[in-house]
Amino acid sequence: QVQLQESGPGLVKPSGTLSLTCTVSGGSISTSNWWSWVRQPPGKGLEWIGEIYHSGSANYNPSLKSRVTISVDKSKNQFSLKLNSVTAADTGVYYCARGLAGSSPFDSWGQGTLVTVSS
Amino acid sequence: DIQMTQSPSSLSASVGDRVTITCQASQDISKYLNWYQQKPGKAPNLLIYDVSNLETGVPSRFSGSGSGTSFTLTISSLQPEDIATYSCQQYYSLPLTFGGGTKVEIK
Repeated sequence: QVQLQESGPGLVKPSGTLSLTCTVSGGSISTSNWWSWVRQPPGKGLEWIGEIYHSGSANYNPSLKSRVTISVDKSKNQFSLKLNSVTAADTGVYYCARGLAGSSPFDSWGQGTLVTVSS
Repeated sequence: DIQMTQSPSSLSASVGDRVTITCQASQDISKYLNWYQQKPGKAPNLLIYDVSNLETGVPSRFSGSGSGTSFTLTISSLQPEDIATYSCQQYYSLPLTFGGGTKVEIK
């Protein structure tokens, strides 16, 4: 059974860059699945950030597109998120997830990692 | 973007009660609707996909219905372990969008 695990700094300074990596284990990232990042501000709902295919093709939420880059490293079975020019509004729990059939549904999730934007 | 509106935002019910949560899409999304259960401090967990298909291991007291723009998640007999926040999600078009969530509590 595939497992996902997020890693990265839990504290980022305002105007800095948030960088997270999702490591996929128990299966290959080079499958017909799309791999997504989803975030959740404290006490709020879920927001899809974007997704990537093992070929490197990516789709982003237009609300974040100017600040987001998602990349994949097949050799390490990982995909990564970079969000630049962060503000306090980017504080929240960040999840990586696998799209079961194409983009969705998300059948496997990482445990989530809390990222706080603060000086 | 397709907006997903859930109601109610929270509810309190007794063990054994029938619970219904609704999700309204801002445009026709056909059958491309999923439901997730999220317990406090945990990642979301896929409950139902494509409107009415139960994910493996999900108890049969959960069911989903609807089409087009209006969808429903029903818990036929609420159990203590069902305490969670439930969110709908459309994948008819990008960007993928979620409803705001419905928090279910025990009365």
